Amino acid sequence: EIVVTQSPATLSVSPGEGATLSCRASQSINKKLAWYQQRPGQAPRLLIYGATTRATGIPARFSGSGSGTDFTLTITSLQSEDFAVYYCQHYNIWPPWTFGQGTKVEIK
Amino acid sequence: QEQMQESGPGLVKPSQTLSLTCTVSGSSISSADYYWTWIRQPPGKALELIGHIYYNGSTYYSPSLKSRLTISQDTSKNQFSLNLRSVTAADTAVYYCARALFDYWTGYPDWFDTWGQGARVTVSS
Repeated sequence: EIVVTQSPATLSVSPGEGATLSCRASQSINKKLAWYQQRPGQAPRLLIYGATTRATGIPARFSGSGSGTDFTLTITSLQSEDFAVYYCQHYNIWPPWTFGQGTKVEIK
Repeated sequence: QEQMQESGPGLVKPSQTLSLTCTVSGSSISSADYYWTWIRQPPGKALELIGHIYYNGSTYYSPSLKSRLTISQDTSKNQFSLNLRSVTAADTAVYYCARALFDYWTGYPDWFDTWGQGARVTVSS
């Protein structure tokens, strides 16, 4: 089973600043990685798939990069609604696909 | 617009069966383009795949839950359901239904593009 590990667990950022979140897979997953945002009390929302492609309606301040085992989600100029928990999910080898443990982006 | 909505009891007694239904609107569970999936999130923890059902009735169950789990579908109502037997406190979680895209290259699911709002289920006497 492929394990995806996210870091850091918590990221403290001031509004308007940028944030960089990391996701590392235990073996190569090519570009088969998705990112989700989960606001408090809400369901996860798809942000990025294919490591770099933004989902429909996702603002351009969200961008994904990486391939193989190392991936990054970058958020530029954080807005109030961006403070949330972010999860990565691989879908390279089935079964199963797995989620990372999440990175909480909190207000500094 | 695609929507998914979970429904079912919020409180289940230990050793009983947890039953949830996901009602889908805006897309058909008879479509070959998607896997219809259950995911759960225990309090303060990460997301955990439970299993899925495909339009032809084929299913996948998490190995850790397989002996207690049944996922079924009712195409006439555009719903799919989860039954988890012999529950314990460890099954307390928010349960989500979600739609995963079918990858025509691999035949496997890809990412989840649509989620329900979640159903909070507590296992307690």
